[in-house]
Amino acid sequence: QVQLAQSGAEVKKPGASVKFSCKASGYSFTTYYIHWVRQAPGQGLEWMGIIHPSGVTTRYAQKFEGRVTMTRDTSTSTVYLELSSLRTEDTAVYFCARRAYYGDYLDYWGQGTLVTVSS
Amino acid sequence: EIVLTQSPGTLSLSPGERATLSCRASQSVSGYYLAWYQQKPGQAPRLLIYDASSRPTGIPDRFSGSGSETDFTLTISRLEPEDFAVYFCQQYGSSPLTFGGGTKVEIK
Repeated sequence: QVQLAQSGAEVKKPGASVKFSCKASGYSFTTYYIHWVRQAPGQGLEWMGIIHPSGVTTRYAQKFEGRVTMTRDTSTSTVYLELSSLRTEDTAVYFCARRAYYGDYLDYWGQGTLVTVSS
Repeated sequence: EIVLTQSPGTLSLSPGERATLSCRASQSVSGYYLAWYQQKPGQAPRLLIYDASSRPTGIPDRFSGSGSETDFTLTISRLEPEDFAVYFCQQYGSSPLTFGGGTKVEIK
């Protein structure tokens, strides 16, 4: 079955960077785009960007341009998100989610990675 | 970007009742490209509806979606205990993808 397994929680100080992972299994990794979405505590969902596992295509939300980098490792079927210059308002759960084959809706989600930014 | 406004913010209902959730877009969503998700505390969202009215395999038929352009609705025909959760809409007709603020369906 399709699974997206995300790495564990992180605690970082303001100004630092964080990189976390999303390992895919149960489907053809190179066929489906992966989106990243975050959710601040008690808040709604915010789209951050998308990566194709071929690595050819990445697109970031304007809000995160310059601070976010999405990469992938096809040998391990893993995608990564790195966020730099962390601020306290970056405290959130970060989800990876698979783009459906026929449209930009999200048919499978990872369990989320909690990132806490605190001095 | 398209702003999605969900209403009501909270819906208090009893099991067995009908739930009607609204998602209104600030501009027309092209191609019926609207999805609905359910999220329970501590869990990732789960896809319920895509293309405004299509259900993925495994989603019960008590969940239905309708609407077009700027007005969309998620209906839960008869609430089951496991349906009490937060529901989000999402448009994917134009970039950036955007989500509504959510509607919480709570037990009355």
